[in-house]
Amino acid sequence: GAGVSQSPSNKVTEKGKDVELRCDPISGHTALYWYRQSLGQGLEFLIYFQGNSAPDKSGLPSDRFSAERTGGSVSTLTIQRTQQEDSAVYLCASSSRRGRNTEAFFGQGTRLTVV
Amino acid sequence: AQSVAQPEDQVNVAEGNPLTVKCTYSVSGNPYLFWYVQYPNRGLQFLLKYITGDNLVKGSYGFEAEFNKSQTSFHLKKPSALVSDSALYFCAVPYGGSQGNLIFGKGTKLSVKP
Repeated sequence: GAGVSQSPSNKVTEKGKDVELRCDPISGHTALYWYRQSLGQGLEFLIYFQGNSAPDKSGLPSDRFSAERTGGSVSTLTIQRTQQEDSAVYLCASSSRRGRNTEAFFGQGTRLTVV
Repeated sequence: AQSVAQPEDQVNVAEGNPLTVKCTYSVSGNPYLFWYVQYPNRGLQFLLKYITGDNLVKGSYGFEAEFNKSQTSFHLKKPSALVSDSALYFCAVPYGGSQGNLIFGKGTKLSVKP
């Protein structure tokens, strides 16, 4: 596609429910990242996928959070038993190749509200 | 550990005046530095990056950034601000090693008034 696509754009869920957030990266991009942006806060790294390598999960805040990337393309971030503190904008990004000098392209984000 | 700092939460500028958004960094080895912009209710957009070479880097929308090794800074600049430049600006540095995930500063809100 033309850019990184995230769905849904907005999600309201009840505390304790599970949610799934989807990210379609730019076609051909091997690297995919998930970040979280809380109100008034900066961007918090969650997880990083690069090709077929094991993902870097070091940013996941708890074991309620998990992510997978199927076929090296689409990724799903799952939050189980959501809590109010999970309310944030979840941003997905992709980049074309491995390397510290490569810029990432971001999606519009999914705004998650836990009530 | 790699990190960046943005010392200003907000910068206010009159339209037509030059603007500067500050960023300082702490990295081991040669730094790779990035600037991103986030317009209201939008994702982040890449503005520019410093890899090596000229200390003055030019990017999108007329922005530029100056890499200063002695001051460990990478300030974002524009000679003449537009109201449409009002947004949240983030400085970033790669986490380290060969990984590409970025560590972001806390962001600086730029407000350009007519």
